Amino acid sequence: QKEVEQDPGPLSVPEGAIVSLNCTYSNSAFQYFMWYRQYSRKGPELLMYTYSSGNKEDGRFTAQVDKSSKYISLFIRDSQPSDSATYLCAMSAVAAGNKLTFGGGTRVLVKP
Amino acid sequence: NAGVMQNPRHLVRRRGQEARLRCSPMKGHSHVYWYRQLPEEGLKFMVYLQKENIIDESGMPKERFSAEFPKEGPSILRIQQVVRGDSAAYFCASSPRRGSSTDTQYFGPGTRLTVL
Repeated sequence: QKEVEQDPGPLSVPEGAIVSLNCTYSNSAFQYFMWYRQYSRKGPELLMYTYSSGNKEDGRFTAQVDKSSKYISLFIRDSQPSDSATYLCAMSAVAAGNKLTFGGGTRVLVKP
Repeated sequence: NAGVMQNPRHLVRRRGQEARLRCSPMKGHSHVYWYRQLPEEGLKFMVYLQKENIIDESGMPKERFSAEFPKEGPSILRIQQVVRGDSAAYFCASSPRRGSSTDTQYFGPGTRLTVL
């Protein structure tokens, strides 16, 4: 079993819809949780960064962390075709030197 | 452009040759991480370096792979005697410091290695 599980998709939504993404994990030592966006043949771009449980909002993006359930989510409101990309969740623990453990990524397609 | 720089962006090697991948971290960043992304897979941690020190190489294959981050110049990921299974995208990330709640890693554009 992988340390971080993420549905590979693809997740297809119409423009303007809410995109809902999630990851589950097994390592309770993870303290920092991130979401990256990766366009085809590009490097990952940091979208959201959260510490421990709770919610964080930044523009159209909302990240949620539930450490008791080992479950994190990313919501994208008012989705645009330019949001079409692969979304990667990533996690780290200070004790592990902050190396990131990634989910496999979810491919999202926003159709005009 | 003050982002993470990687070169070359594309590298083609024949089996048995050596591949050298370079990474210049963001200005002011002294921590470098290398990750590998195999086709249709997520990113996997390889090695974490600070200037002149390897901090964690737990994700690095035991043979043929090495990494360095000298006092001057970019970080280098070196793959000796490449095999077809080494074909992947190699990403470098940098962060300003370790062990802080404000640490984040910023990624470069990657080097796509193709082994013929």
